[in-house]
Amino acid sequence: EVQLVESGGGLVQPGGSLRLSCAASGFTFSSYAMSWVRQAPGKGLEWVSAISGSGGSTYYADSVKGRFTISRDNSKNTLYLQMNSLRAEDTAVYYCAKIAYYYDRIRNSIAYFDYWGQGTLVTVSS
Amino acid sequence: DIQMTQSPSSLSASVGDRVTITCRASQSISSYLNWYQQKPGKAPKLLIYAASSLQSGVPSRFSGSGSGTDFTLTISSLQPEDFATYYCQQSYARETFGQGTKLEIK
Repeated sequence: EVQLVESGGGLVQPGGSLRLSCAASGFTFSSYAMSWVRQAPGKGLEWVSAISGSGGSTYYADSVKGRFTISRDNSKNTLYLQMNSLRAEDTAVYYCAKIAYYYDRIRNSIAYFDYWGQGTLVTVSS
Repeated sequence: DIQMTQSPSSLSASVGDRVTITCRASQSISSYLNWYQQKPGKAPKLLIYAASSLQSGVPSRFSGSGSGTDFTLTISSLQPEDFATYYCQQSYARETFGQGTKLEIK
């Protein structure tokens, strides 16, 4: 059974830092790209960042580029999100998600989030 | 960024109703479209991927269609557990989500 368990959320002051973790089990972690998606209170979903299975490729939303760093430790089956220079608008529940791919008839690879963690709340406030 | 627009933003329906939710992309995204269901306080759950493929374990009353810029999620006969918020998401370029459609009991 695939399980994703986030941790590390909490209350932090504006300008502060926080590191989120996502412990994965039930699948071969190093074979899959992973992502972080967040949801501000009462709002919709926003993709934040993604990382390839090897960790060699990383991707960021413009809203967090230069402030957040995604990484992974495949020996520990754990995904991370280092968040620096936090702002009030970063307040959200942060979900980690496993990325899967569907290959159509002409071999286009269509990515989707097939498993999600339960989320961890980050509150940025003074 | 590709903008995803869902309609309606909210919808009231009864158990047994057939419901359709629409998602429109600001540019063509082929079939790079996924649908998720989210209940209050819970993580999103994948329903449909690649526009029309049903995720394993999802009831067959859920179906998806469309290609290019216009997509639909259809629930053929609403069940009590289907009242939730639904999101579309494109993965053609830097993933973006629709604003959500809240499905409520009439």
